[in-house]
Amino acid sequence: NAGVMQNPRHLVRRRGQEARLRCSPMKGHSHVYWYRQLPEEGLKFMVYLQKENIIDESGMPKERFSAEFPKEGPSILRIQQVVRGDSAAYFCASSPQSTGMNSPLHFGNGTRLTVT
Amino acid sequence: EDKVVQSPLSLVVHEGDTVTLNCSYEVTNFRSLLWYKQEKKAPTFLFMLTSSGIEKKSGRLSSILDKKELFSILNITATQTGDSAVYLCAVGVNNNDMRFGAGTRLTVKP
Repeated sequence: NAGVMQNPRHLVRRRGQEARLRCSPMKGHSHVYWYRQLPEEGLKFMVYLQKENIIDESGMPKERFSAEFPKEGPSILRIQQVVRGDSAAYFCASSPQSTGMNSPLHFGNGTRLTVT
Repeated sequence: EDKVVQSPLSLVVHEGDTVTLNCSYEVTNFRSLLWYKQEKKAPTFLFMLTSSGIEKKSGRLSSILDKKELFSILNITATQTGDSAVYLCAVGVNNNDMRFGAGTRLTVKP
């Protein structure tokens, strides 16, 4: 029973390039959350998706960032024209229900993005 | 603005010591409080607390929530080097959002 799978584990991009981060939730989970973790900070909520729908993107910058969770395939967090400040660990988490139902999140191992 | 504050930010102890990690919060629409352990990989779930005064235990770890004073503690007894990690406190605040604290970095020395 595979857990939440994220890839790549490490991603290096030059300023101005695009970064694509992938997340496959646990089997049977239809709720996906993306978080960003900066050094010495906690996890910051970015976006919450269900299959084919963005439910809450209030934590995601309006420009350059987008997320999707298609009917088939993994959830994708896309960062266009990356800047150095985008360097961080990006974690994906999934749950069988929304967190409002008091369902713990299951996290992936994260993607560490470095912008040079 | 919702806040989750963990203390201390870092802690160094020796094997066998007992530690207490603190998490205080100020949020609207509190739903639950969760503790996670984060090593180099993903945060792993430890406890979920929704009711005051009921202690949850798992081996050497235990946790309790005080909804009146708005805090929770995580206790680890007889610490081991494998307990070294960042411990994250998270508060569920509505149907789909959680607020995480900055974490407490625990180092257990042999």
